[in-house]
Amino acid sequence: DQQVKQNSPSLSVQEGRISILNCDYTNSMFDYFLWYKKYPAEGPTFLISISSIKDKNEDGRFTVFLNKSAKHLSLHIVPSQPGDSAVYFCAAPPTSGTYKYIFGTGTRLKVLA
Amino acid sequence: ETGVTQSPTHLIKTRGQQVTLRCSSQSGHNTVSWYQQALGQGPQFIFQYYREEENGRGNFPPRFSGLQFPNYSSELNVNALELDDSALYLCAIGLAGGQETQYFGPGTRLLVL
Repeated sequence: DQQVKQNSPSLSVQEGRISILNCDYTNSMFDYFLWYKKYPAEGPTFLISISSIKDKNEDGRFTVFLNKSAKHLSLHIVPSQPGDSAVYFCAAPPTSGTYKYIFGTGTRLKVLA
Repeated sequence: ETGVTQSPTHLIKTRGQQVTLRCSSQSGHNTVSWYQQALGQGPQFIFQYYREEENGRGNFPPRFSGLQFPNYSSELNVNALELDDSALYLCAIGLAGGQETQYFGPGTRLLVL
């Protein structure tokens, strides 16, 4: 049972445009979500998070939106840059205060120069 | 700078063999989690160690075992290797009680023939 789903395995965007990466979840008990970015030959690095008490969190070019009723979150990158090309994972801890994250399958973003 | 390192970077084993993967960091983060990432999938939680004790386990059989040492380094041991164990193995360090700050190593890519 895949509790965290990323249905788009890949996405290509022109440099300067907006990248929107989507993530759906099934467990309504999730109260915290994270996005990780992974470059080849490197481990995932934390990008941005959101608590379920918020519907938006912004950090520079990165904004995460949470729609609890739809059990959906999205990561917006504006403007997209070639260095943003990577695999992006959304993740949720099923128990608060732990690192027992459930990861989605990832979306490979390619930003075209 | 957490400086999470993993060794070896790559490894080839044959079915039925045993393997030990290692993880270490420069910082004093007191939890270490291990994940398995199969090709095209997101990382899957194997288990977490806190203060040298296993503190949660994912859906992995007992032939996956681990150790955490007083210097916070860690090992993942896999016995009786199967072909499906071929994957990227990631360790991640963090502080107990935190949800956000988890630092991943670059991973060990294991191929079982």
